[in-house]
Amino acid sequence: GQQLNQSPQSMFIQEGEDVSMNCTSSSIFNTWLWYKQEPGEGPVLLIALYKAGELTSNGRLTAQFGITRKDSFLNISASIPSDVGIYFCAGLAVDSGYSTLTFGKGTMLLVSP
Amino acid sequence: KAGVTQTPRYLIKTRGQQVTLSCSPISGHRSVSWYQQTPGQGLQFLFEYFSETQRNKGNFPGRFSGRQFSNSRSEMNVSTLELGDSALYLCASSFQERDTQYFGPGTRLTVL
Repeated sequence: GQQLNQSPQSMFIQEGEDVSMNCTSSSIFNTWLWYKQEPGEGPVLLIALYKAGELTSNGRLTAQFGITRKDSFLNISASIPSDVGIYFCAGLAVDSGYSTLTFGKGTMLLVSP
Repeated sequence: KAGVTQTPRYLIKTRGQQVTLSCSPISGHRSVSWYQQTPGQGLQFLFEYFSETQRNKGNFPGRFSGRQFSNSRSEMNVSTLELGDSALYLCASSFQERDTQYFGPGTRLTVL
């Protein structure tokens, strides 16, 4: 089945630093999504990318859909303590008319004030 | 617009019992997907429903089943619970198939 390799697994940074995380796959995806999950809650959609090469921002967050359609990255600029959480990438593929959302294992982000 | 709601939020069951979890999608959304999240396996796809029909199914045993009602609300059922079924069960809705999915808060199931 499809697999997403998400890295790094975890990051511990100082407030104000920039953060970068990425996902790669051996499969092609039609859509890349980035979610953030906080303890005890479901994932919250941060950014959705629909076209290869697309670069999209949401406040301090910027994400790109790789040109090969097999990778994506998420950058967070000027991190703040409330950025703490687990960030997941997800790829949506369409195969034989059915859609399947595959998730990476997540990047745990810790921000020190 | 209200988000995806899931009930109950927490559940404790014992091995061998069965459980039913409920999901109400965002108003107007017709597609509902279910996922199991565990520390070891991460987020794994269970199944997807659209217009009361199961459209896609993940690699889970037949003890896991679901259904969708005409108002797009969905339930999933797990029979003969095992310890390994302890997990956060997440429901996500989208306007239609292959659309961006929005998640509910999840139901935390603990099997003793």
